[in-house]
Amino acid sequence: QQQVKQSPQSLIVQKGGISIINCAYENTAFDYFPWYQQFPGKGPALLIAIRPDVSEKKEGRFTISFNKSAKQFSLHIMDSQPGDSATYFCAASIRGYQKVTFGTGTKLQVIP
Amino acid sequence: DVKVTQSSRYLVKRTGEKVFLECVQDMDHENMFWYRQDPGLGLRLIYFSYDVKMKEKGDIPEGYSVSREKKERFSLILESASTNQTSMYLCAIQRGRPSTDTQYFGPGTRLTVL
Repeated sequence: QQQVKQSPQSLIVQKGGISIINCAYENTAFDYFPWYQQFPGKGPALLIAIRPDVSEKKEGRFTISFNKSAKQFSLHIMDSQPGDSATYFCAASIRGYQKVTFGTGTKLQVIP
Repeated sequence: DVKVTQSSRYLVKRTGEKVFLECVQDMDHENMFWYRQDPGLGLRLIYFSYDVKMKEKGDIPEGYSVSREKKERFSLILESASTNQTSMYLCAIQRGRPSTDTQYFGPGTRLTVL
């Protein structure tokens, strides 16, 4: 019940295209959903996060869409650039608990 | 800038050796975490600590122990390294407010056990 399922495992997108990564969860107690971005040789870093009281959050080219009834959330990268090539992790946590549950990661490659 | 330092970027050890991985922070954050990262499995929590000398098991604590004698330092110990512990190990820190604060990660230690 603590799992966060992430798909696809890898993704190749052409420059200028839209990258979409999907995540699903079971535990309805989750109330915070961050996305982390990891470049090769680096640790993950927070990219964007959403709470379940909103259905969408946008920061620049990055948008999280959240569907509470379906227990799904997704990351959309608009106008994808080669510099966006990285591994992306969705995550979920519960207010009051330190633990964060991470998805299995999506390796994104944006080709020119 | 948040700084999370891990003692080694690459480490090669032999089966049965005792291995110490160290993480040091300069942010005075209460919470510190150890994860391992494996392809297709994502980030899995090994142990975390919410205060000096306090620790809690994560999802995969078997074969590992931890130590936090000072607030800024959190060590991961492999008592007797095995080949299935070959992995990337990531340390993370988080401010006191539980769970909804950002986790800041170190660069990772790639451990190979031969």
